[in-house]
Amino acid sequence: ELKVEQNPLFLSMQEGKNYTIYCNYSTTSDRLYWYRQDPGKSLESLFVLLSNGAVKQEGRLMASLDTKARLSTLHITAAVHDLSATYFCAVERYNTDKLIFGTGTRLQVFP
Amino acid sequence: KAGVTQTPRYLIKTRGQQVTLSCSPISGHRSVSWYQQTPGQGLQFLFEYFSETQRNKGNFPGRFSGRQFSNSRSEMNVSTLELGDSALYLCASSRTDRGSPLHFGNGTRLTVT
Repeated sequence: ELKVEQNPLFLSMQEGKNYTIYCNYSTTSDRLYWYRQDPGKSLESLFVLLSNGAVKQEGRLMASLDTKARLSTLHITAAVHDLSATYFCAVERYNTDKLIFGTGTRLQVFP
Repeated sequence: KAGVTQTPRYLIKTRGQQVTLSCSPISGHRSVSWYQQTPGQGLQFLFEYFSETQRNKGNFPGRFSGRQFSNSRSEMNVSTLELGDSALYLCASSRTDRGSPLHFGNGTRLTVT
């Protein structure tokens, strides 16, 4: 059964600092997604990673995928308060359209 | 372009009752998925429909069911509600091409008392 683990679960960081969120998954997959959820809101798609070595960047966020290590990272550069949210990775079970979500990382950026 | 629309936004039901939630996908999206979100279990996949057929199903009891209509709109039904069914139910739609992300609605917050 596909399991997706994220760490850390909680992340409190100062503005201007860098940090990385990790997403590990247990079985073969080549489709990985990152989502953001603000409190009381729905999920917003951030990145779609479809192949080994894929790297996507948007603003202060950069996501990468290593399918051999079954690992994706979401790197935050020079954090700002607006990035405070919960971030989820989701892995598509191989050859299906079923997404398995990680536990989420709650990010809080303070001045 | 309108997003995924879910109705109602909030529901309060009593144990033993049943409930129907509705989802209208983004125009042109033929795949609709349902997820349950709770603080304890996180986001869990319920089922996915495409062209009125259920293609995937999560590990939920038979009390949870769904369907999709010819216009791609979808409904999910929960019968014999239990306290543990209290959750945010999220519907998501997507295009059919490989790697299309899910687009989520704002969800229906169900409270079972």
